[in-house]
Amino acid sequence: DARVTQTPRHKVTEMGQEVTMRCQPILGHNTVFWYRQTMMQGLELLAYFRNRAPLDDSGMPKDRFSAEMPDATLATLKIQPSEPRDSAVYFCASGKGGRGQFFGPGTRLTVL
Amino acid sequence: RKEVEQDPGPFNVPEGATVAFNCTYSNSASQSFFWYRQDCRKEPKLLMSVYSSGNEDGRFTAQLNRASQYISLLIRDSKLSDSATYLCVVSPRDAGNMLTFGGGTRLMVKP
Repeated sequence: DARVTQTPRHKVTEMGQEVTMRCQPILGHNTVFWYRQTMMQGLELLAYFRNRAPLDDSGMPKDRFSAEMPDATLATLKIQPSEPRDSAVYFCASGKGGRGQFFGPGTRLTVL
Repeated sequence: RKEVEQDPGPFNVPEGATVAFNCTYSNSASQSFFWYRQDCRKEPKLLMSVYSSGNEDGRFTAQLNRASQYISLLIRDSKLSDSATYLCVVSPRDAGNMLTFGGGTRLMVKP
């Protein structure tokens, strides 16, 4: 049963520290998405890749967030420097061919 | 106006009840439609796709009305395990796999 995997599952860090989150999409999926979810904002799209090329990162705070896909099996989301308002659950999802997206279990980030 | 609108609920229903959720979307060019389910502190999971002809999966029935830009989900014989947030999701034509999520409708099924 193919799944999207994310690491770490939980991260607690102090304000100003760098945070890197990793995602392994389902093999064969050519689209990868990063979302952030908070109680107040719901699901927000941060970045979108198709065939490893970034297509949309308009939802991402550019000054501190960056997203990359160094290869087809790895997507990364980096926050530097982190701030308390970045505390949220970050989901990675992958998909192919208009059949919906499949989500990973998320990284629960707490910035103190 | 949000692109995908849902009543946030919560809908509190007894076990065995039938419950229906509705959703409206603003982009008439939307091509694909889905319902996702999200349990507390878990990731959203694809429940079912929604087709123009309507489709059924066990106790779940989804309907699409393109003219009114309206999607529905009907759950029959509710179980305690159906308690979750149900997300209405649309994808515009030629958007690849990009999806627009509604805010979700919370369902609580009580014994």
